[in-house]
Amino acid sequence: KAGVTQTPRYLIKTRGQQVTLSCSPISGHRSVSWYQQTPGQGLQFLFEYFSETQRNKGNFPGRFSGRQFSNSRSEMNVSTLELGDSALYLCASSWTGGAGDTQYFGPGTRLTVL
Amino acid sequence: EDQVTQSPEALRLQEGESSSLNCSYTVSGLRGLFWYRQDPGKGPEFLFTLYSAGEEKEKERLKATLTKKESFLHITAPKPEDSATYLCAVEGYGQNFVFGPGTRLSVLP
Repeated sequence: KAGVTQTPRYLIKTRGQQVTLSCSPISGHRSVSWYQQTPGQGLQFLFEYFSETQRNKGNFPGRFSGRQFSNSRSEMNVSTLELGDSALYLCASSWTGGAGDTQYFGPGTRLTVL
Repeated sequence: EDQVTQSPEALRLQEGESSSLNCSYTVSGLRGLFWYRQDPGKGPEFLFTLYSAGEEKEKERLKATLTKKESFLHITAPKPEDSATYLCAVEGYGQNFVFGPGTRLSVLP
């Protein structure tokens, strides 16, 4: 069974640009969550999507947005990039995102903002 | 607000030297406590899910236990390939995962 896949694996952008990251969940999983990981802040929750609806959101500015498609694939967009957005962006999927549902992570997209 | 702390921040062991990692948490209604292992530059790899105090789970050299305020990850006779960062996360009624900062484990041959 294929795991969570994320594309691209690496990205280099400059300040002010925007970026779109993609995530394909494990087959059958309908919940997709996004996280930002940095050395200083660790893993921080961005948002969760289920059945094409954002169900939960972390404490990030509106420049961070996402969406989910009918096949459960998800995209995350960051507009007006800042240097501090450099991080590993991780996507995780689970069956329903319900109570106690285990999340399985993809390999991440390493974003560097110059 | 749900919070997770992990100790120690870093741990160096000799191969075969058993030890334990700690995860302390405060959460409004625990729905699950999760352990992951993360290798540099990779995504976290799922290890265990624990749901209630007293629960224990084992996998190879790893054993996870849970009390009402903390969880332990016991590593028995570790090998160099067990070197990684071990992450603990909790899910409370807030319904999103809150991760601890992790413990960096190095096992020396």
